[in-house]
Amino acid sequence: DQQVKQNSPSLSVQEGRISILNCDYTNSMFDYFLWYKKYPAEGPTFLISISSIKDKNEDGRFTVFLNKSAKHLSLHIVPSQPGDSAVYFCAARLGSARQLTFGSGTQLTVLP
Amino acid sequence: DAEITQSPRHKITETGRQVTLACHQTWNHNNMFWYRQDLGHGLRLIHYSYGVHDTNKGEVSDGYSVSRSNTEDLPLTLESAASSQTSVYFCASSPGGVGYTFGSGTRLTVV
Repeated sequence: DQQVKQNSPSLSVQEGRISILNCDYTNSMFDYFLWYKKYPAEGPTFLISISSIKDKNEDGRFTVFLNKSAKHLSLHIVPSQPGDSAVYFCAARLGSARQLTFGSGTQLTVLP
Repeated sequence: DAEITQSPRHKITETGRQVTLACHQTWNHNNMFWYRQDLGHGLRLIHYSYGVHDTNKGEVSDGYSVSRSNTEDLPLTLESAASSQTSVYFCASSPGGVGYTFGSGTRLTVV
């Protein structure tokens, strides 16, 4: 059973608009959440993270929101740019474990 | 510059053959991980290691093995390749915490 779920396999947005990528999790013991970005033929690269003690973290155009009661996090990209077109993976860490559990990914396409 | 490299980038093998995928990192990270990426499943953990001579099974470890004889390398072996193991394999390392650095991946096709 997937503990980290990304229910939208794909998302298309217009350049300059907001992209919102969603992620749900089932294990309330997850204490750290991350977003990774992956271009074709490359490995995933770290984008932004958030600790479970926070509800928002911002880095430039990227903001991650965490709603612990709903076991939901989201990644907002504002404004979206064509170079943001990639697969985005949500990931979570369980307490002191050093391995991450990943979601299935969302393919974001930003249309010029 | 420190890096993490995977080889080969592409591999085609026959069912039943033993295959080894290499992962080498020069970050001096203690933690190393192997994931496979499949459509609809995202990245699933195969094996991981917290240091030399330490190895642990992940979510989808059946049919795979790893060994860690030094800090830099964590080779992944498919004992008897099966078509279900056709996938893209990613190696990652981290110093601790959650700061993963991924390799560029190995695309394996089992025919």
